[in-house]
Amino acid sequence: QSALTQPASVSGSPGQSITISCTGTSSDIGGYNYASWYQQHPDKAPKLMIYEVTNRPSGVSNRFSGSKSGNTASLTISGLQAEDEADYYCSSYTSSTYVFGTGTKVTVL
Amino acid sequence: QVQLVQFGAEVKKPGAAVKVSCKASGYTFTDYYLHWVRQAPGQGLEWLGWINPHSGGTNYAQKFRGRVTMTRDTSVSTAYMELSNLRSDDTAVYFCARSKFVGDGTDVWGQGTTVTVSS
Repeated sequence: QSALTQPASVSGSPGQSITISCTGTSSDIGGYNYASWYQQHPDKAPKLMIYEVTNRPSGVSNRFSGSKSGNTASLTISGLQAEDEADYYCSSYTSSTYVFGTGTKVTVL
Repeated sequence: QVQLVQFGAEVKKPGAAVKVSCKASGYTFTDYYLHWVRQAPGQGLEWLGWINPHSGGTNYAQKFRGRVTMTRDTSVSTAYMELSNLRSDDTAVYFCARSKFVGDGTDVWGQGTTVTVSS
């Protein structure tokens, strides 16, 4: 199972909106509504930000939103803040297993 | 509170095996799947597999089949991941994480166990 494809880096100024894409195939992203997104700060465990494509866990800011079109899932961060600077990973269910994306470093300028 | 607790670090020689533990507290251990994910230094996340603590059923990533074994002890609410025939590229932080069902996102993560493989 190949990793899902994400851009290596995305940047934005405080207050702006950015979108991170996650491209897979019809066997993973496109085949199920089970895409998730994780935020990881340096030397910390990942934190679930979005599950089942669009759902936010309790406690996650509504500045984070998820969507999907075909074989590509997306994470949008609106009103970018300094604390959003981190690595972001997508993940998808695929035939009883999971696959992660390659990861995107978000920089707040 | 809900947490998954993992212990610090292991150092192993190439060819050896390592067994990493993950102790659950604050919730019913058998109600959630447990996943194992690793992250090599400076690299991304890699999913190894899951275990159903209720039934003991497992599913492993194709890459690790034959080398990984996931087990659990419900009496102490602990899951284990054993990786055998270690190589230097198995050096990584190994995380456990839970999900309500297979397919769901993993909402609680352990702090990770660092495994270093070196001669």
